[in-house]
Amino acid sequence: AAGVIQSPRHLIKEKRETATLKCYPIPRHDTVYWYQQGPGQDPQFLISFYEKMQSDKGSIPDRFSAQQFSDYHSELNMSSLELGDSALYFCASSLVNNEQFFGPGTRLTVL
Amino acid sequence: KNEVEQSPQNLTAQEGEFITINCSYSVGISALHWLQQHPGGGIVSLFMLSSGKKKHGRLIATINIQEKHSSLHITASHPRDSAVYICAVSPNTDKLIFGTGTRLQVFP
Repeated sequence: AAGVIQSPRHLIKEKRETATLKCYPIPRHDTVYWYQQGPGQDPQFLISFYEKMQSDKGSIPDRFSAQQFSDYHSELNMSSLELGDSALYFCASSLVNNEQFFGPGTRLTVL
Repeated sequence: KNEVEQSPQNLTAQEGEFITINCSYSVGISALHWLQQHPGGGIVSLFMLSSGKKKHGRLIATINIQEKHSSLHITASHPRDSAVYICAVSPNTDKLIFGTGTRLQVFP
């Protein structure tokens, strides 16, 4: 069965650079979530989209933005990267109010 | 105080032992999730519960909505069960609030 796809799997950036993370949900899933997991920390909710509209917002810095496109894939754009942005970024997808299925994550390292 | 608390934080067991991981939460929820995270980082959804009990293979999850408590049980534990088990809740929206996780190591 198709799973959630995230790209890239690993990304290395310098401080103040920008990064774009992509998420391709399971086909027919209408909701996408983004989570950030810092080293040794719990995952934290960043933002979610339902039917291409932002549905909820968590602790997402103003330097980050995200959107969901007409084909339901989502992109997380991160600008002015800081060392503290180094983390594992998970995307999950679901049918609304149902079980979330997680992608393998993108490991971002900011040097 | 975290909205989702798990115990124990770390757990070691011998292969074959029965394992219980507990989760307590302090917010109203629409659902509770048990997740498994392996050392490589990937997260797998084990259960989504809003009431009662669910069973999948050697895994059993229960929830008591009145007491705001859930348990994850692993019967006949195996070294491949070694992972971090995370309790997460949906507080009346779809987003998840994660517990701190329980690191399980099962030795042969």
